[in-house]
Amino acid sequence: DVKVTQSSRYLVKRTGEKVFLECVQDMDHENMFWYRQDPGLGLRLIYFSYDVKMKEKGDIPEGYSVSREKKERFSLILESASTNQTSMYLCASSPGTRTDTQYFGPGTRLTVL
Amino acid sequence: AQKVTQAQTEISVVEKEDVTLDCVYETRDTTYYLFWYKQPPSGELVFLIRRNSFDEQNEISGRYSWNFQKSTSSFNFTITASQVVDSAVYFCALSGGDTGFQKLVFGTGTRLLVSP
Repeated sequence: DVKVTQSSRYLVKRTGEKVFLECVQDMDHENMFWYRQDPGLGLRLIYFSYDVKMKEKGDIPEGYSVSREKKERFSLILESASTNQTSMYLCASSPGTRTDTQYFGPGTRLTVL
Repeated sequence: AQKVTQAQTEISVVEKEDVTLDCVYETRDTTYYLFWYKQPPSGELVFLIRRNSFDEQNEISGRYSWNFQKSTSSFNFTITASQVVDSAVYFCALSGGDTGFQKLVFGTGTRLLVSP
């Protein structure tokens, strides 16, 4: 079974803090993704990576950055958290080809005060 | 541009009723893939099914069935004899493109509430 884990289920931070969300997959997948989920908006892609040290912007990259130093780990960074980044963050991975199914982690619910 | 529409925001049924979740998509690609995911209250998206644009056969898996119709650009999901454990948010998604990296485009989800 594919296993995608995220470092925290719930996180509370203050405005202006630097926030790191970590995602690890154990299936040697090539591709990893970060989404945010908001009521009425579904899931929106923030960034994705198709290889170590490679990253591509998704649909809403503003205010975020990512890091992928190892194949199994993909980090989402909020350089200076703001209240409008309060959301559910979901990480996903997929095997290797461009059409593969994505498998998701349990999500991190981030609250920025 | 690709788009997925799930017009039903929330559906409430009583246990053992059948329920159909609608999904309509838009794409200009000739090759594309359609997905359904389930998000229970725990939050994790669980993969249910993937179909490609060249396979219009309906799929049945236990109480779940999917009806893919290219003529109406729809990929509807039916749960037969619903159970309380089916209560979740269900997302339909599309990835497509004859070239390049394919990203998933999600609908806004349908919340299903199954009461005893």
